[in-house]
Amino acid sequence: DGGITQSPKYLFRKEGQNVTLSCEQNLNHDAMYWYRQDPGQGLRLIYYSQIVNDFQKGDIAEGYSVSREKKESFPLTVTSAQKNPTAFYLCASSARARNEQFFGPGTRLTVL
Amino acid sequence: RKEVEQDPGPFNVPEGATVAFNCTYSNSASQSFFWYRQDCRKEPKLLMSVYSSGNEDGRFTAQLNRASQYISLLIRDSKLSDSATYLCVVNWDFGNEKLTFGTGTRLTIIP
Repeated sequence: DGGITQSPKYLFRKEGQNVTLSCEQNLNHDAMYWYRQDPGQGLRLIYYSQIVNDFQKGDIAEGYSVSREKKESFPLTVTSAQKNPTAFYLCASSARARNEQFFGPGTRLTVL
Repeated sequence: RKEVEQDPGPFNVPEGATVAFNCTYSNSASQSFFWYRQDCRKEPKLLMSVYSSGNEDGRFTAQLNRASQYISLLIRDSKLSDSATYLCVVNWDFGNEKLTFGTGTRLTIIP
């Protein structure tokens, strides 16, 4: 089955630690995205990548980093510089010039 | 003005009724429009794209009004399973896959 997987589903982190969230897709999509969603709020774009080895900052990139070494994978690192990292993190992908984005099941990160 | 604006609701609607949501967008250059649905604590899922001529998928009808810069979603014969948050999504530039999401309209279908 084609789709987008994210792991882990739930993640707990101590304050001051970096943590990496996984996102993998087997849809052969060129573009991948990371969003964050807070309770009662819309999705906010963190980073996106339209092609391998290239990525751009979204609206709230501070305190986050990404890499895109393979077409299938777009991991997100939440660094200790992120002031309020507790949130629901969603990864998405889209085919080139199609625009519709398809989402993974998300990772709920809680900083203790 | 927000880039994409939706009435947050909640809309509480009896089963079988027809319900409609509107969504306004601020950028007249927007090219692509979508409706997503999001169930509680789940990821958003694409419900339908919105085409200039309007489009229908079963009980769901989406329309675009470029002059007034809004899109609408109509749900007929609503089912309990339609209870969800509906997200309006807009893309500024067809060549750039970046999307802007509204905060969503919460719908609850009452038995």
